[in-house]
Amino acid sequence: DIVMTQSPDSLAVSLGGRATINCKSSQSVFFGLNREDHLAWYQQKPGQPPKLLIYWASTRQSGVPDRFSGSGSGTDFTLTISDLQPEDVAVYYCQQYYDSPHTFGQGTNLEIK
Amino acid sequence: EVQLVQSGAEMKQSGESLKISCKGSGYNFKEYWMAWMRQTPGRGLEWMGVIFPRDYDVRYNPSFKGQVTISVDKSINTAHLQWTSLKASDTGIYYCARGWWVVVEPLWYDFWGPGTLVSVSS
Repeated sequence: DIVMTQSPDSLAVSLGGRATINCKSSQSVFFGLNREDHLAWYQQKPGQPPKLLIYWASTRQSGVPDRFSGSGSGTDFTLTISDLQPEDVAVYYCQQYYDSPHTFGQGTNLEIK
Repeated sequence: EVQLVQSGAEMKQSGESLKISCKGSGYNFKEYWMAWMRQTPGRGLEWMGVIFPRDYDVRYNPSFKGQVTISVDKSINTAHLQWTSLKASDTGIYYCARGWWVVVEPLWYDFWGPGTLVSVSS
């Protein structure tokens, strides 16, 4: 299985600040045939299911604010949240869909400082 | 509007059987993968498997294969996850999620159900 490792496990950022969450895969999730990285990011608030934020490593899902951006390729990826808002408090997960079984990172807990 | 409605919370004893459900609406149910995920404090989010309703193609995570059965009833736009003999370690929140796809392969999950809490006591 492809192991997804996120860092840090938790993070506290000031309102209006920038949060950076990293995700590393145990093997490359770049698919040569479509030249895409098979990686998604999700946000989960307490008591709610995960919500898709980003797919293909950097494409925002419809309706997701442009404060959320994804970058990276191969095995190293980053989710950046700019101008942090109170509603961004959540746990964030990366997920690879390059290979079966699909696997998730362990999650990064984002709080307001 | 896409909606996934899951069956209610369950409290069971070890050894009992269980079938939980997920009803999709607001989209062509047959043409999207439906995945099941488990979430626990100890193991996080785990992908259990997916089913493509149109042709009943099922893919299991090897960690769950033989432990659960994923099925679908296209006539009522509903996917199921079932156990024949529950264990305490099956305790968790189970989510269904619609899978986007390209060239038949499931990719990301764009709509999720609210989750079904399954509690199994030993």
